[in-house]
Amino acid sequence: GAVVSQHPSRVICKSGTSVKIECRSLDFQATTMFWYRQFPKQSLMLMATSNEGSKATYEQGVEKDKFLINHASLTLSTLTVTSAHPEDSSFYICSARGGREETQYFGPGTRLLVL
Amino acid sequence: AQKVTQAQTEISVVEKEDVTLDCVYETRDTTYYLFWYKQPPSGELVFLIRRNSFDEQNEISGRYSWNFQKSTSSFNFTITASQVVDSAVYFCALSEYNQGGKLIFGQGTELSVKP
Repeated sequence: GAVVSQHPSRVICKSGTSVKIECRSLDFQATTMFWYRQFPKQSLMLMATSNEGSKATYEQGVEKDKFLINHASLTLSTLTVTSAHPEDSSFYICSARGGREETQYFGPGTRLLVL
Repeated sequence: AQKVTQAQTEISVVEKEDVTLDCVYETRDTTYYLFWYKQPPSGELVFLIRRNSFDEQNEISGRYSWNFQKSTSSFNFTITASQVVDSAVYFCALSEYNQGGKLIFGQGTELSVKP
């Protein structure tokens, strides 16, 4: 199956700093990538959809200035949590799908802890 | 409006028992896709199956089987002869055609298989 990597897998940062998370499709071209957030014991919440070369589409209630998404190439999307605060602590997961493929393949996730 | 309901929050079984995870969906579209993903404790979502709305054939893959019934808007997942390694959270998800691949997830069912 298709492989998606995410880096870093875990990050601890101080309040007020920015954190960048990378999502890469390793063996296919991802025309669309998705960013999710998951709180403990809860389902995945879609934050935004990004298509290569265009601006991301954010879900209602997600601050685009807070969560910057860049999809610069067909294999890489980044999520930057700007001026992170403790309430941003969460598990962030990306997924990718290629072309007309309907299946999303997920990365291993990034656990963010903001102190 | 689209919605996915997994009424079983937690299920606990003893190894070798069969277990069925329920999934009920709502959509107005005639073309849609249904998915099951497995999320083990490590956090990564593992793709298990995709079904499109025009294919109601049941599917079997090893100990896994899926029962898709449009008449009841259900897409249930059965694990036969469960094993401890099956312990995970299982998510059912819906994607509607022309929605850019956005997945709507159910709340997830946490399956615990005890030895």
